[in-house]
Amino acid sequence: GAGVSQSPSNKVTEKGKDVELRCDPISGHTALYWYRQRLGQGLEFLIYFQGNSAPDKSGLPSDRFSAERTGESVSTLTIQRTQQEDSAVYLCASSLELVGETQYFGPGTRLLVL
Amino acid sequence: AQKITQTQPGMFVQEKEAVTLDCTYDTSDPSYGLFWYKQPSSGEMIFLIYQGSYDQQNATEGRYSLNFQKARKSANLVISASQLGDSAMYFCAMRERAISGAGSYQLTFGKGTKLSVIP
Repeated sequence: GAGVSQSPSNKVTEKGKDVELRCDPISGHTALYWYRQRLGQGLEFLIYFQGNSAPDKSGLPSDRFSAERTGESVSTLTIQRTQQEDSAVYLCASSLELVGETQYFGPGTRLLVL
Repeated sequence: AQKITQTQPGMFVQEKEAVTLDCTYDTSDPSYGLFWYKQPSSGEMIFLIYQGSYDQQNATEGRYSLNFQKARKSANLVISASQLGDSAMYFCAMRERAISGAGSYQLTFGKGTKLSVIP
C-alpha cells in the first residue's frame, strides 16, 4: 500500500511568517510522530499522536510549534512566526501502536526560513 | 549523557566487503527496542532492522544483521557484501517509553554514520 506522504516537499518562507506542514500516515496506522532533522544531525522528536489520546507534546521546542490530528488520519504541524533556526527537514512517521512496532517515515518537508 | 552514541562520523568500505557500524545506548528501561535506519542523499528514512531488548537472538534481515550485546549496551549493524547503493547515512535509534507517561514510543536517534562504498 501507499507509504507516508508529506507536503509540501520543500518550503521557503520569510522570517516571521507562519507555515503549515502536512502528513498523511499509512492507512490503518494509529500512531503518528513528527520529528525535526537539522542539517547534518540526527532526528529530534517533536510530538506524538495516538488515536484519541492526548498527544505527547514533550518534544516541541517552543510555543510557536503546534500540531493537530483528526482521528487517525492527516496531521498538520504549524510553526508560527518562523525563525531562521527553524530551518530543517520535518519528518513524519507512522506505526501500528503495538509494542515494538516499526515507525515508517515520509519523505520529509525541507523548510528554509530566510 | 547521550542516549545513543555513534562514534564513527564516517566509514569507508570496499565493495563486496562487510562493514560494522557501531552503536551504543543508555537506558534504564528494561523494555526497549533498537532500530537502524538508512538515509540516502535523497533524504528519506528507510527502516532496516529491529532488535527488542528481550529478543534472545540477533536480528537479521537479508544482508543486514544486528550484533546485540546487551550487557555492553551495544547494537552494532553489520552489512555483508557491501554494494554501491549502500552509500548513505545510517542512524541507530532507540525506543523506550516516554518519561511523560503518555505512552508514546518516540525514537531517540544517534548523530549517524556516513558510509561510503568504494568500487
